[in-house]
Amino acid sequence: EAGVAQSPRYKIIEKRQSVAFWCNPISGHATLYWYQQILGQGPKLLIQFQNNGVVDDSQLPKDRFSAERLKGVDSTLKIQPAKLEDSAVYLCASRSDLRDTQYFGPGTRLTVL
Amino acid sequence: GENVEQHPSTLSVQEGDSAVIKCTYSDSASNYFPWYKQELGKRPQLIIDIRSNVGEKKDQRIAVTLNKTAKHFSLHITETQPEDSAVYFCAASYYNNNDMRFGAGTRLTVKP
Repeated sequence: EAGVAQSPRYKIIEKRQSVAFWCNPISGHATLYWYQQILGQGPKLLIQFQNNGVVDDSQLPKDRFSAERLKGVDSTLKIQPAKLEDSAVYLCASRSDLRDTQYFGPGTRLTVL
Repeated sequence: GENVEQHPSTLSVQEGDSAVIKCTYSDSASNYFPWYKQELGKRPQLIIDIRSNVGEKKDQRIAVTLNKTAKHFSLHITETQPEDSAVYFCAASYYNNNDMRFGAGTRLTVKP
């Protein structure tokens, strides 16, 4: 089966600019996660969707980050405006309702200058 | 929310030796504990996981043990090989994989 797809793979922007990331989960996976992984740290959960509903967004900085999964499949994560401390790899993961395993995408490496 | 602590942050072993990485969690409601391996520049990949109704699970050279009373779990790798060199992350989550919290990671180096 095809894995989790993410784009772009790399993005460089200046602070105060906006950026958006896209994720296509494994077909049939109802649960989708967005994580932020700062260099040298473990992934930090930003938001979790079950189909098109938000399950957990307690760690999402809502003043600048937003995410949506309108049709319960693809998802986008947006940062507006970006700060220097947003430089990180943004990982998307998906999971089937039938199993515990989360499958991660390749990530988008964001550099904010 | 859940807090996961992981030790050590770096670990160096000789090929063939065993490696042990330990994690503690704070919330007794957590019931799912996966371990991920992440090679440089790659995505995290699940290597083994355990649910709270099981005390130990083994898969070839890899095993995980869980002590619910003490709220800690450990990863054991036996007969280490150079290709085991990577960063390993533990994690804990509630029912249905909600609110997954990761440890800070352990960089394992296996010297040939």
